[in-house]
Amino acid sequence: SQQGEEDPQALSIQEGENATMNCSYKTSINNLQWYRQNSGRGLVHLILIRSNEREKHSGRLRVTLDTSKKSSSLLITASRAADTASYFCARRNAGGTSYGKLTFGQGTILTVHP
Amino acid sequence: DTAVSQTPKYLVTQMGNDKSIKCEQNLGHDTMYWYKQDSKKFLKIMFSYNNKELIINETVPNRFSPKSPDKAHLNLHINSLELGDSAVYFCASSQGTGPLGYEQYFGPGTRLTVT
Repeated sequence: SQQGEEDPQALSIQEGENATMNCSYKTSINNLQWYRQNSGRGLVHLILIRSNEREKHSGRLRVTLDTSKKSSSLLITASRAADTASYFCARRNAGGTSYGKLTFGQGTILTVHP
Repeated sequence: DTAVSQTPKYLVTQMGNDKSIKCEQNLGHDTMYWYKQDSKKFLKIMFSYNNKELIINETVPNRFSPKSPDKAHLNLHINSLELGDSAVYFCASSQGTGPLGYEQYFGPGTRLTVT
């Protein structure tokens, strides 16, 4: 798929557990971004990781990037019910004149049970 | 509040009609985008403008025409609406388009239903 793949498509966990979502892609990238979408709302940017970076943190979020495997993962630690949302990875492909174009994955639906 | 805003939030119309969606950002960004999110939540870019200039024009039917009167506004006009146009349309903006990347700020979306 040109969009890449996100895995799993759905994840259901209990509050306090960690949630890991994965994103794979096929072409070289300049950067990869993770977004969250609550039901019926717009997307909210979480983390941007550049191709020369391997790991970034933001609060309870940790993103890793392995360009050799063309994959990234988003880890949410100590999850809360409020983390329930869809999570999308979005890639800025390298080369050409992509003008900031992001290619989104199909998303992972995370449900955190209180 | 600084944000990306869209109007209307909901739009229900009949096939064949022409409709417009408006978007405004007060973040001072140079670049704005239109995305379409289908019923399976797949999000795909349609258009992008940088300082009022069209820079991304994906394979979108020419019934869709974006217009950017200034860099804070990007509107989407759709002619001869079809059932398949039913989706949620998101406007977004970013500070720029450089290769190192900029986060995009999304509006709340416009849910278009064509009957």
